[in-house]
Amino acid sequence: GEDVEQSLFLSVREGDSSVINCTYTDSSSTYLYWYKQEPGAGLQLLTYIFSNMDMKQDQRLTVLLNKKDKHLSLRIADTQTGDSAIYFCAEIPKNDYKLSFGAGTTVTVRA
Amino acid sequence: ETGVTQTPRHLVMGMTNKKSLKCEQHLGHNAMYWYKQSAKKPLELMFVYNFKEQTENNSVPSRFSPECPNSSHLFLHLHTLQPEDSALYLCASSQVGGEKLFFGSGTQLSVL
Repeated sequence: GEDVEQSLFLSVREGDSSVINCTYTDSSSTYLYWYKQEPGAGLQLLTYIFSNMDMKQDQRLTVLLNKKDKHLSLRIADTQTGDSAIYFCAEIPKNDYKLSFGAGTTVTVRA
Repeated sequence: ETGVTQTPRHLVMGMTNKKSLKCEQHLGHNAMYWYKQSAKKPLELMFVYNFKEQTENNSVPSRFSPECPNSSHLFLHLHTLQPEDSALYLCASSQVGGEKLFFGSGTQLSVL
């Protein structure tokens, strides 16, 4: 199976919270990332979390990490139409520098 | 603007053509990468260059040939491609050992 798995689609109403989930397999991962890709653009680093943290908050974004279950989530509060994009989860294993990406979750924000 | 520029943005080529993709970074990074993005599949790492030296080649077919003349420029030379090679090709850069990648906007390639 894939090293990093995400659900492919998420639809959310404007103003609601979005939660994007990700599972990974490498327990030695040191960093875990969320990248955002808007239409016609490359990937943009949104936020990242060190593996020794459980939570990181950055304005409307909250990242939760459950190392025991190898589960990472991204919560977007007060979702806006500009949040419509593909969100990629990625990990970088210990003693490596190469990111391993998931297939991306397409988030659609409806009015 | 991420500091990583890719050209062209779009490319259509026949299976017998030869073309090149170009990537340039203005971030002072010393590692550059080529990724392939196909719909609903994880990004596939193709090549990695650290300090102009190729350090990774993920079993990429020889019809893809990378070139890194210096730390700021990266090329991907294409020849005799197949229709299944149609995808978005993304360039990225980072500091060697750094944990953050900066991506270009990609070249959308269609092979007819």
